Amino acid sequence: QSALTQPRSVSGSPGQSVTISCTGTSSDVGGYNYVSWYQQHPGKAPKLMIYDVGERPSGVPDRFSASKSGNTASLSISGLQAEDEADYYCCSYAGTYTYVFGTGTKVTVL
Amino acid sequence: QLQLQESGPGLVKPSETLSLTCTVSGGTISSSSYYWGWIRQPPGKGLAWIGSIYYGGSTYHNPSLKSRVTVSIDRSNNQFSLKLSSVTAADTAVYYCARRMGSSWDYWGQGTLVTVSS
Repeated sequence: QSALTQPRSVSGSPGQSVTISCTGTSSDVGGYNYVSWYQQHPGKAPKLMIYDVGERPSGVPDRFSASKSGNTASLSISGLQAEDEADYYCCSYAGTYTYVFGTGTKVTVL
Repeated sequence: QLQLQESGPGLVKPSETLSLTCTVSGGTISSSSYYWGWIRQPPGKGLAWIGSIYYGGSTYHNPSLKSRVTVSIDRSNNQFSLKLSSVTAADTAVYYCARRMGSSWDYWGQGTLVTVSS
């Protein structure tokens, strides 16, 4: 069970859009519509931002959107704000009640 | 509001067993709608799923840790626990307990740092 691959970092200016990729295999990302995304600020617990590929929990701004194509899932943040600067992790169901997280991406707001 | 709180020793000696408990408040651990799990994060590194348990007692583990991991549930005290045996320095991490609804982890504890050192 290998970690899903994410870019180490992405950056953008306030108001711009950034996209984070999450690449797995047909045994995880590509095999199920069960990808979730988490935001983690330094020293804090992760926060659920997206579930089931593209669904937003109540309270998450609609600036956050996500999708999946084949073995790669993507998280987009539009209208980037200073508070969006954080680490982001994807997570996928990998069969037999197991889960695998991504390597994590640091989003920097320039 | 549901809250999860990890507790346990912050320092464990190499080759010994790491033991943590997660206390759930503001909701019942016995709901058929949720699973409960452990996720860890080594310092400066990413998240890794350790294992999960259902209120009925069914357990599931990361294949890479399976032989060392035990997850158990105590419905009477609204708690679930993690035991990780034969620890090494590589097991040093912040350990989170979390609730899984569907396929995502929607509530998390604040995390507790466990250091493996003699």
